[in-house]
Amino acid sequence: GAGVSQSPSNKVTEKGKDVELRCDPISGHTALYWYRQSLGQGLEFLIYFQGNSAPDKSGLPSDRFSAERTGGSVSTLTIQRTQQEDSAVYLCASSLNGPNSGNTIYFGEGSWLTVV
Amino acid sequence: QKEVEQDPGPLSVPEGAIVSLNCTYSNSVFQYFMWYRQYSRKGPELLMYTYSSGNKEDGRFTAQVDKSSKYISLFIRDSQPSDSATYLCAMSGGGSNYKLTFGKGTLLTVNP
Repeated sequence: GAGVSQSPSNKVTEKGKDVELRCDPISGHTALYWYRQSLGQGLEFLIYFQGNSAPDKSGLPSDRFSAERTGGSVSTLTIQRTQQEDSAVYLCASSLNGPNSGNTIYFGEGSWLTVV
Repeated sequence: QKEVEQDPGPLSVPEGAIVSLNCTYSNSVFQYFMWYRQYSRKGPELLMYTYSSGNKEDGRFTAQVDKSSKYISLFIRDSQPSDSATYLCAMSGGGSNYKLTFGKGTLLTVNP
């Protein structure tokens, strides 16, 4: 596609439910990133994929959070047993390779998650 | 001390004004410096990308990096109402070049 595509764009879920957020990166981009943007907190790094492997998962806030990437393309971020503090915008981004050497990181429009 | 500090504003200026946005940082490993623009309920959009110290100009936008002072700036000349957005600085470097560290963003409003 022309840009990074994320779905759903908005999700309201009840506390304790599981949610899945999907990201379709720009075609041919090998690097994929998940960030979280909370009110007053700015963007926080969650996880980085190079191909299907995740060399850095250090930003995942708890073991309720997991992510996978299949076929070097689509990625899914799963949040189990959602809590109210999980309410945020979850942003996916991709780049041609890593972000060195001028490789631009392109962001999607985010999945707005509200846990009630 | 947070790794990247950015004045959240809000900043309100008249159309045509020169806008100066700034970030300071504490981690000397940062080598890559970026400015993103984010409109309401949209994803961040890359405006400027700079490697190491120096200036870079693109149209009405100029990015400056002073690594000795750990200070980066974005200048917007002849600001337009369409420039109204949140501006985020971001940086990376060291062994985690893939991981961007963001400032919290400055909300800018340009009044016609």
